[in-house]
Amino acid sequence: AQSVTQPDIHITVSEGASLELRCNYSYGATPYLFWYVQSPGQGLQLLLKYFSGDTLVQGIKGFEAEFKRSQSSFNLRKPSVHWSDAAEYFCAVVWMDSSYKLIFGSGTRLLVRP
Amino acid sequence: EAQVTQNPRYLITVTGKKLTVTCSQNMNHEYMSWYRQDPGLGLRQIYYSMNVEVTDKGDVPEGYKVSRKEKRNFPLILESPSPNQTSLYFCASSPSSYNEQFFGPGTRLTVL
Repeated sequence: AQSVTQPDIHITVSEGASLELRCNYSYGATPYLFWYVQSPGQGLQLLLKYFSGDTLVQGIKGFEAEFKRSQSSFNLRKPSVHWSDAAEYFCAVVWMDSSYKLIFGSGTRLLVRP
Repeated sequence: EAQVTQNPRYLITVTGKKLTVTCSQNMNHEYMSWYRQDPGLGLRQIYYSMNVEVTDKGDVPEGYKVSRKEKRNFPLILESPSPNQTSLYFCASSPSSYNEQFFGPGTRLTVL
């Protein structure tokens, strides 16, 4: 069955520290991968996406993510977190089989310590 | 400005009183969908539409209806709302199901 797992419900980091948010998926078909951010009281905004090619993708706001097919992972990283990065982050996957079904992970809430 | 709009943004209603949440996009997108967001569950798809007059069930369609009579509009209808439909609802549009989704601002619904 298709599933997307974000194992960390909450993560707290200090401002200026590095960040890595984990995302794992299951199912064998080719995945298209997305990271979205939801600021408090807002809708979701796309941070970055991976369809094919270079497995390290750059996104907005200084975020990047690396696709590792062997680990079925698409982890989000940022070298230095800013207080404005406090938000909820969602990984999402579309499987390129007949269903083209989009599934979201349960989200990771990022808290930033001053 | 390219956007997805939803109305109302906030709604408090009572069990059994029919309601409609409107969704409109101005990007000429073929694909539109509705999600509900509940704590710890992420976003779950309610219904989606690949094109005008083509709709299909998502993961949690029970208690909801949709229609897609025009490309730009995709209303969500709750014929007889119940308290377990209290949630935050998002409409989204996209050129296709496997492209970036553009989300509306959300509708917070409370059913008493």
